[in-house]
Amino acid sequence: QVQLVQSGPEVKRPGASVKVSCKTSGYIFTSNGISWVRQAPGQGLEWVGWISGSDGNTADAERFRGRVLMTIDESTSTAYMELRSLTSDDSATYYCARDKGDFTRDFWGQGTRVTVSS
Amino acid sequence: QSVLTQPPSASGSRGQSVTITCTGTSSDIGGYDFVSWYQQHPNRAPKLIIYEVNQRPSGVPDRFFGSKSGNTASLTVSGLRTEDEADYYCSSYTGAGTSIFGGGTKLTVL
Repeated sequence: QVQLVQSGPEVKRPGASVKVSCKTSGYIFTSNGISWVRQAPGQGLEWVGWISGSDGNTADAERFRGRVLMTIDESTSTAYMELRSLTSDDSATYYCARDKGDFTRDFWGQGTRVTVSS
Repeated sequence: QSVLTQPPSASGSRGQSVTITCTGTSSDIGGYDFVSWYQQHPNRAPKLIIYEVNQRPSGVPDRFFGSKSGNTASLTVSGLRTEDEADYYCSSYTGAGTSIFGGGTKLTVL
């Protein structure tokens, strides 16, 4: 069965960076991309970006451009999202999700809570 | 457009039907048939319930129906059940590999 397991909660200072991992299993990693979506406390879903599982090509939301770095490690079927220059507005739960090929996210990780606080 | 427009709340009695709308522009919903809907219960990850406007993943009951007209997509839930009470989010492809979500609708089953 398809599974996406994310790394644990993080607490960071303003200005720092955070790197969240998403280890996948149950499917051929290179056949699908991975999307990253975040949700601030009590707020809605926000699309952060997408990375291809086959060649590492990426697309990201304009508001994160230059601040987010998405990478993959095919050897471990793991995707990573690094967000730099954190502010309190970046405090949120970050989800990874498998892209089924039509810009649809069909399987989701459990979420990683990132807290930015001084 | 930073977010697709959804009503913040919707409600219906058990057994009845409710429709949630999602309004975008010709650059997102109106331009592509890549509209999806997600259901999210409190403190849970979102769950895909509709993709490509009106397709249901395996295991999603046919009480959930998706449609689109112009720049507006809709999700209709018929035969409302208490377990349908959740937040619902629409999403659309916006070109160049990017996507956008709606602001979310809290569905209450009376």
